[in-house]
This record gives sequence, structure tokens and C-alpha cells, in this order.
Amino acid sequence: NAGVTQTPKFQVLKTGQSMTLQCAQDMNHEYMSWYRQDPGMGLRLIHYSVGAGITDQGEVPNGYNVSRSTTEDFPLRLLSAAPSQTSVYFCASSPTNTDTQYFGPGTRLTVL
Amino acid sequence: AQKITQTQPGMFVQEKEAVTLDCTYDTSDPSYGLFWYKQPSSGEMIFLIYQGSYDQQNATEGRYSLNFQKARKSANLVISASQLGDSAMYFCAMREGNYGGATNKLIFGTGTLLAVQP
Repeated sequence: NAGVTQTPKFQVLKTGQSMTLQCAQDMNHEYMSWYRQDPGMGLRLIHYSVGAGITDQGEVPNGYNVSRSTTEDFPLRLLSAAPSQTSVYFCASSPTNTDTQYFGPGTRLTVL
Repeated sequence: AQKITQTQPGMFVQEKEAVTLDCTYDTSDPSYGLFWYKQPSSGEMIFLIYQGSYDQQNATEGRYSLNFQKARKSANLVISASQLGDSAMYFCAMREGNYGGATNKLIFGTGTLLAVQP
């Protein structure tokens, strides 16, 4: 049982490049979410999903896309990276929408 | 709008002493959940403790307890017998709704950096 896994751990992009941050969980959790953490701030919700095929926006969704084709995977896509998207990205999951969320190890993204 | 406030950017505590990390919240929803997470220097987010708004007793998990004062809208984390390994950033978070209508969207505070001194 690997829990919540995220790849890559570190990534450097140039402005305008696109990429996908991967998130997977092997616990059959219905609920998954993406947060970003910036210095001096708490985590802020980007997008979330309450089950396969269902996604919705969080507090800071602009510049990011998500899809949920399977229960296990919830990738986060940056369409055209900007320096303002330099951050640490966390994926989290929980069995239902009222259970405690457990976080992946994070991806540190730098956009130059 | 819901909000979490952590007013202590940083704190020191001596090893083996108890420490209280403050958290106040604001919500108009009568049903909500409060969480504390620990983030060590390695960066991962570790769940510590949870308190539901309708829970009659304060939550406890080992050396962690949550001092829940509903009327004052505070949910302070108490760590007893501090250890060097407790040095980390601590985040308070809230979710509005605790039942079927909840979306599990967490709102986080800005965190408190705790340093445990030998």
C-alpha cells in the first residue's frame, strides 16, 4: 500500500512550457484534491474531485486543468507555465468527502 | 467567508515541556471540521488530529490534544512533553460541513513554526 504518490519530486520549467504533475493513490479513495503551497502561506485548493469523472474548481484554479478518468489517478496539467506558478504542489486523497485527507510527498515546481 | 487565523509565526519550547499553538476560525456553517497537520523540514504534510464541530469532547491523539472552544471559535493544538522531533511547521485547517453535503475543501492557516530546544 503505497498511499498517495506524486511524480516528479522536482521540476524546472521555462515560461510557456506545459507539463503534467502526476498523482496516484492505491487506497480506492473517492475524493482527491490538489493544493499549492507558497512561502508564508498555507495550502490553497486548486481543483478537487469527488469521484471518477467528476471534478470541480477550488480557490485558485486559473492556469490549471484536471481530469479524473480513473479512481486511482488525478493528474494536474499546467497549460502554459508562468513564474507565478512556482510553488510546492500537494495531492491529497480521502475515502469520502467527509474523511480526513492524506497528502502525498509534494512536487516542487520552479518556473523560470 | 470561512477563514483560519494562526497568529504565532514562530515559537520556541524547551524539550519535555508542553506547548500550545493557537488557531482561531471563522465560519457561518454550524457543521464543520477542524484539523491540524505537521510539516517537518522534509516537506510532507502529516495529519495529527481532528475535531468535529458537534463533538462533545476535545480530541486527543497520544501527545496531541485539541483545545476546542466553540464559543470563542478557537481550536488550539496542545503538544505535551515536547520532543526534538516535534520541531516543524504546524498548520490548522477547516472544512465546512461534516456530512453528506461536505465537499472536503480545506482552508488552511499560515502556519506556526515550532522549534524545540534541548
